[in-house]
Amino acid sequence: DSGVTQTPKHLITATGQRVTLRCSPRSGDLSVYWYQQSLDQGLQFLIQYYNGEERAKGNILERFSAQQFPDLHSELNLSSLELGDSALYFCASGTGDGNIQYFGAGTRLSVL
Amino acid sequence: AQTVTQSQPEMSVQEAETVTLSCTYDTSESDYYLFWYKQPPSRQMILVIRQEAYKQQNATENRFSVNFQKAAKSFSLKISDSQLGDAAMYFCAYRTYSYTSGTYKYIFGTGTRLKVLA
Repeated sequence: DSGVTQTPKHLITATGQRVTLRCSPRSGDLSVYWYQQSLDQGLQFLIQYYNGEERAKGNILERFSAQQFPDLHSELNLSSLELGDSALYFCASGTGDGNIQYFGAGTRLSVL
Repeated sequence: AQTVTQSQPEMSVQEAETVTLSCTYDTSESDYYLFWYKQPPSRQMILVIRQEAYKQQNATENRFSVNFQKAAKSFSLKISDSQLGDAAMYFCAYRTYSYTSGTYKYIFGTGTRLKVLA
């Protein structure tokens, strides 16, 4: 158990809808990272937050947004969903020095 | 731009034997970290081993070791005495820090699926 909690584990929704994925980092970790893993692909970095502020942006679509709250949990919002958004979404947390990331179990999103 | 390449989509190894997974990367930076992550069928990403670029000594974690060739930009993972539980996707990852933006960047390879044969 990495100590990083992601909910829900599975999410099935329809095209055009909006969903929110939630991540609770390990106790004491200030950084949260979001990744997208499409079928049989590597991980694509989406966005990083550090202590409530956006720190780095990767290949995140404009339809996607994220935030980190004062209690350090983070949410990834996906809107106007398309079939191609179906993927495994991982959250990882770290101490902030970027040295080691601890991954959650992921949220599997299926857009039908 | 930094890239990470894993040229072996799939590898097989006999139980108790040794296997080496390849990873090459492209960067113009001198200070960075390299990682190997394991993703078993449960889909959980598990850190296997990491290497700091400024350290010449190859990292080792029990049955897992790396062969880090900085000049060749190569970072291979050797698994000794392979076990059935080692069957998984293995991802190589590169991390660097931008002093300009004050941010870290992680880049992952596309993975190698390792099968362990009983």
